[in-house]
Amino acid sequence: DSGVTQTPKHLITATGQRVTLRCSPRSGDLSVYWYQQSLDQGLQFLIQYYNGEERAKGNILERFSAQQFPDLHSELNLSSLELGDSALYFCASSVGPQTATNEKLFFGSGTQLSVL
Amino acid sequence: QQQVKQSPQSLIVQKGGISIINCAYENTAFDYFPWYQQFPGKGPALLIAIRPDVSEKKEGRFTISFNKSAKQFSLHIMDSQPGDSATYFCAGGYGGSQGNLIFGKGTKLSVKP
Repeated sequence: DSGVTQTPKHLITATGQRVTLRCSPRSGDLSVYWYQQSLDQGLQFLIQYYNGEERAKGNILERFSAQQFPDLHSELNLSSLELGDSALYFCASSVGPQTATNEKLFFGSGTQLSVL
Repeated sequence: QQQVKQSPQSLIVQKGGISIINCAYENTAFDYFPWYQQFPGKGPALLIAIRPDVSEKKEGRFTISFNKSAKQFSLHIMDSQPGDSATYFCAGGYGGSQGNLIFGKGTKLSVKP
């Protein structure tokens, strides 16, 4: 068990809808990262937050947004959902403010999103 | 320039054999090369990582070999066990304000008893 908690584990929704994925990092970790995993694209970095502030941004669509709250949990909001957004969304956490190349990342078990 | 190409896509090895997974990168600014292991239903977990100032790093049965001039690196699993059956991802990345990891597309390893 990595200590990173993601909810829900599975989410089924329709095109055009909006969903929120939640992540609680390991105790003591201040950075949260969001990744999207799909069969054709593999693991793609979306965004990183450190102690409530956006730290680094990857291939995140404008329809997607994230935030990290004072208690350090993070939410990824996906709106105007399309069939192609169906994927496994992972949250990871690390101790410090460095980006993923200087920190050991601990991944949650993911949220499987199915857009029908 | 950001890609990390991983091969093979899948690999079947007999118990006790050597599993070899290869990766090639394009961005010469990459200075961190981790391997992640993912079991079904779980998130990836860091297995071993290397920086380009060394050519090899060994941790137990797992070894990374790194060839900076060829921009290639590989994971060797010695004495492969059925419990090693998982998907393995290589990645490359660099620091800086927008540093993040670029992952390969993964190799599904099956170790037959």
